[in-house]
Amino acid sequence: QLLESGGALVQPGGSLRLSCSVSGFSFSNYAFSWVRQAPGKGLEWVSAISDNGRSSHYADFVQGRFTISRDNSADTLYLQMTRLRVEDTALYYCAKDRRVVRGVTITFPDYWGQGTQVTVSS
Amino acid sequence: DIQMTQSPSSLSASVGDRVTITCRASQDIRNDLGWWQQKPGKAPKRLIYEASNLHPGVLSRFSGSGSGRDFTLTITSLQPEDFATYFCLQYNSYPWTFGQGTTVEMK
Repeated sequence: QLLESGGALVQPGGSLRLSCSVSGFSFSNYAFSWVRQAPGKGLEWVSAISDNGRSSHYADFVQGRFTISRDNSADTLYLQMTRLRVEDTALYYCAKDRRVVRGVTITFPDYWGQGTQVTVSS
Repeated sequence: DIQMTQSPSSLSASVGDRVTITCRASQDIRNDLGWWQQKPGKAPKRLIYEASNLHPGVLSRFSGSGSGRDFTLTITSLQPEDFATYFCLQYNSYPWTFGQGTTVEMK
């Protein structure tokens, strides 16, 4: 199970930290991604982090504003969002990414959470 | 970035119908593609990985095929609980990219 939290109404230029609490499988074995969906729009990948947290990737539109991180001791994924813009308004999902062992993909993206709503508005 | 073109954007079907949804990638993604089902207010539900493999617990009326650039999701004998939105996702490389989604509506 993946359970997102932390979404809220925030003013443009503000900050927010999203969390994704994981249970039911070994969190530290998997990479994770954040994906968002703006109202009436399609799905948009935001960021990903490796199983050990040493490697991360970002969509161009969030570079330098968002930071993905994880706490493997707490089975929790985070997305720190700063300098928020109106266009960041969306439902934010965390998604379980693949598991890679010694360069071989063992499992593939599968579970998603239900999402947490971020609204950026003055 | 790899572009994913999904079609149709919506379709109307009846219970028992066979439904086919396609995704085309802008470049070769091998078979690094999955399909999910999405219903309002719910977490997207996994269906297919590696283009043609059913995730555990997914009923066999769902099937996937394709490799390279062209992929298909087929639902044989559509059931009432299958009316939903379906999307493809390529995970060959970051950024992940998605098809625009296909809404399967009741005729």
